[in-house]
Amino acid sequence: SQQGEEDPQALSIQEGENATMNCSYKTSINNLQWYRQNSGRGLVHLILIRSNEREKHSGRLRVTLDTSKKSSSLLITASRAADTASYFCATGSLSSGSARQLTFGSGTQLTVLP
Amino acid sequence: SAVISQKPSRDICQRGTSLTIQCQVDSQVTMMFWYRQQPGQSLTLIATANQGSEATYESGFVIDKFPISRPNLTFSTLTVSNMSPEDSSIYLCSVSHQDYEQYFGPGTRLTVT
Repeated sequence: SQQGEEDPQALSIQEGENATMNCSYKTSINNLQWYRQNSGRGLVHLILIRSNEREKHSGRLRVTLDTSKKSSSLLITASRAADTASYFCATGSLSSGSARQLTFGSGTQLTVLP
Repeated sequence: SAVISQKPSRDICQRGTSLTIQCQVDSQVTMMFWYRQQPGQSLTLIATANQGSEATYESGFVIDKFPISRPNLTFSTLTVSNMSPEDSSIYLCSVSHQDYEQYFGPGTRLTVT
């Protein structure tokens, strides 16, 4: 079963707007990673945040992590049509046997309208 | 990061047959994983491919259905055996590098008729 739940399930915005996606998880984690998937292709690694970090930036991406609430958010600023994709969070949990084994959330389908 | 290739990229197979998917990495990695993504769903971990020993399977997945080989640190195969339409999915391999970042292959899109 999925450890993470993401909301919203689908998000539609205009180009230039910011997009925020949220991820909640259930167990203690070692790390949380965000991925992008275009049209059922392979996953592209976006960013990793460790359990002892609260915020991380990469280009137009900003990720926050609140371990007390077991939640994370991904913010994409100044969105572009090319950002249209499915976004997944994935957690590495020591309780799963290895922090390298990832448990994926349900995903958010982002559509950026030109 | 790592460059990961998978073969085949897609296939259409008959019920009851088997398909072997290959995963090749451009560098030696300790941990390789196989995931399944059913249509419209998220990814589910099938197993961890261990070099030199049997794969470690997740709950709901068994070796007879999904045998895995890992002959060296750059290559692994996943076989989907005795296929049924319910096995129609995208199958992805991934590798875990230092710092826990995980990188995925392009996936194999399997359709079982």
